[in-house]
Parts: sequence; C-alpha cells; structure tokens
Amino acid sequence: NAGVTQTPKFQVLKTGQSMTLQCAQDMNHEYMSWYRQDPGMGLRLIHYSVGAGITDQGEVPNGYNVSRSTTEDFPLRLLSAAPSQTSVYFCASSYGRTSYEQYFGPGTRLTVT
Amino acid sequence: GENVEQHPSTLSVQEGDSAVIKCTYSDSASNYFPWYKQELGKRPQLIIDIRSNVGEKKDQRIAVTLNKTAKHFSLHITETQPEDSAVYFCAASTDSWGKLQFGAGTQVVVTP
Repeated sequence: NAGVTQTPKFQVLKTGQSMTLQCAQDMNHEYMSWYRQDPGMGLRLIHYSVGAGITDQGEVPNGYNVSRSTTEDFPLRLLSAAPSQTSVYFCASSYGRTSYEQYFGPGTRLTVT
Repeated sequence: GENVEQHPSTLSVQEGDSAVIKCTYSDSASNYFPWYKQELGKRPQLIIDIRSNVGEKKDQRIAVTLNKTAKHFSLHITETQPEDSAVYFCAASTDSWGKLQFGAGTQVVVTP
C-alpha cells in the first residue's frame, strides 16, 4: 500500500491564480481531511469528508473548496490564491469506526507571492 | 468549539532525563486524545492516543495520562534519546475518527 499520497510536493503561485492539491489513499478509508500547518499554530482543519459525496467545513474553510467523488480521492481547490494561504498542507485519512488513527500524507508546501 | 492549549512551546532536556508536555482542552464532550510526533520536514505520525474511558496508557518509554475532571492530558517521555528530538502535538476530538483540534506544538530538543 502507498498509504496517503499528495501531489505536488512544492508549488509556487501568484496571487489570484487557482490550483488543485491532490490527495489519494489506497487503504479504503472512509474519512479524509485537509489541514494546513503554519508556524506556531499547529494544524488547522480546512475541510473533511465522512465518505464519498459527503463533505463539510472545518475550522478555516474560506478560500478552499473540496469534493469527494470517490472513496480514494479528496482534492483541495484554491479558488483565488492569496499570500495568507502560504502554508504546508496535509491530507489525512482514517478508517473510522473502531480505528481512530489518522494517517497523514507527506504534505504540499505552497507559497503564494 | 474545542480549544486546545499546549505547554511548553519549547523543551530542552538532557539525554536520559524525562520530558513532560501538558495540554488542556475546553470541550467536555471530547473523547479522543492523540499525540503526534513530527520530525523536521516530515509528516505528523501518531505515537500514542487515549480515549476518555481510560486514565492512563503506556507504550514503552512514552505514556499519556488523562484527567477528565480537570480537562487536561499529558505526554510523558522517559529516558529521552536524541531521536526523540521533534515537535510534538496534542489533539482532541469529539468525533473519535477525526476533526482533530490540535495544540500549537512543543519543540523538544534532547541534548547528548
């Protein structure tokens, strides 16, 4: 199993550009989440999904969209990039039910100039 | 919503000594408390977790204690080694599977 994969690893955008961060998992996990990590602030939840076709907002959803058309994939879309979105983005998945552990992807480092 | 505070923000210990990191949470409905270790440039990885029906859990050199009444939980690392140097995050959740609310992190430095 590859676990949780994310692409790209690094990305530089100009203000106003849009892009999609990709996340995929091959563990048949129902639950997937997107976090952003900023220095001194821990990880903050952007959006999450409890299954295909079901998504909801987390703590910091503004400026981001998600969709979950399959169990495996959970892309994060930046609609119009802003410098405040410069961060490291982590995707995570978990089986749920009796197994609570969240598995994180390797992260995407995004810089918006 | 849930708020998690973590202390200290940095912790320097001599190799072989113990390290203790403390977290408090605000939502009494929280029932799942994981701890993650993140090495520089790497992804967070779960090192230990505890559920609200348990007061203490131990795994080799690491242990976690939970005080539901006071709404705080702690990570204890004994016999620290240089490879324990990393950032440690506590988290709390009311949903068990996810929607984790993270603390701000503790940078642990173990000096030989």
